Amino acid sequence: KAGVTQTPRYLIKTRGQQVTLSCSPISGHRSVSWYQQTPGQGLQFLFEYFSETQRNKGNFPGRFSGRQFSNSRSEMNVSTLELGDSALYLCASRPGQVNEKLFFGSGTQLSVL
Amino acid sequence: ILNVEQSPQSLHVQEGDSTNFTCSFPSSNFYALHWYRWETAKSPEALFVMTLNGDEKKKGRISATLNTKEGYSYLYIKGSQPEDSATYLCAFSGGGADGLTFGKGTHLIIQP
Repeated sequence: KAGVTQTPRYLIKTRGQQVTLSCSPISGHRSVSWYQQTPGQGLQFLFEYFSETQRNKGNFPGRFSGRQFSNSRSEMNVSTLELGDSALYLCASRPGQVNEKLFFGSGTQLSVL
Repeated sequence: ILNVEQSPQSLHVQEGDSTNFTCSFPSSNFYALHWYRWETAKSPEALFVMTLNGDEKKKGRISATLNTKEGYSYLYIKGSQPEDSATYLCAFSGGGADGLTFGKGTHLIIQP
């Protein structure tokens, strides 16, 4: 079974631009979550999608948005990039229940210049 | 804002020694406690998900205990090996709309 796939692996953008990250979950998994990893803050929850609906949302500004498609693939969008958005963005999938373990992708390393 | 604390922040252990570290979390509205291992250049990998007070889980040389009444979990590694070097993360779930709240991790280095 293929694991969680995230694209692209690395991304360099400039302030003010927008970016879209993609995540393909493990086949059969209907829940996809997004996390931001920065050296000082650790892993912070962005949002979770389940069956194309946002189920949970973390404490991030509205510039961070996401969506999920009928095949469970998910995209995350960040508009009007700021220097502080430079981070590793991790996607994780699970079959569906809240108490199930997460399966993480390798992440997208975003650098904002 | 939920507070999940892990201690120590980093730990150096001699190969063959046993070690343990702590995760503290809110004792109210508990739903589940997760442990993950994150090796350098890899993705975080789940070790355990625990839901009941008094739960004990074991996977090879690694085990974990859970006390939901006082809000802590211990992770134990017996007979540390170099491949155990990683950052160990715990994550709290209150079952609500906040997703998983992760601690900042314990960075474990096993010295040969």
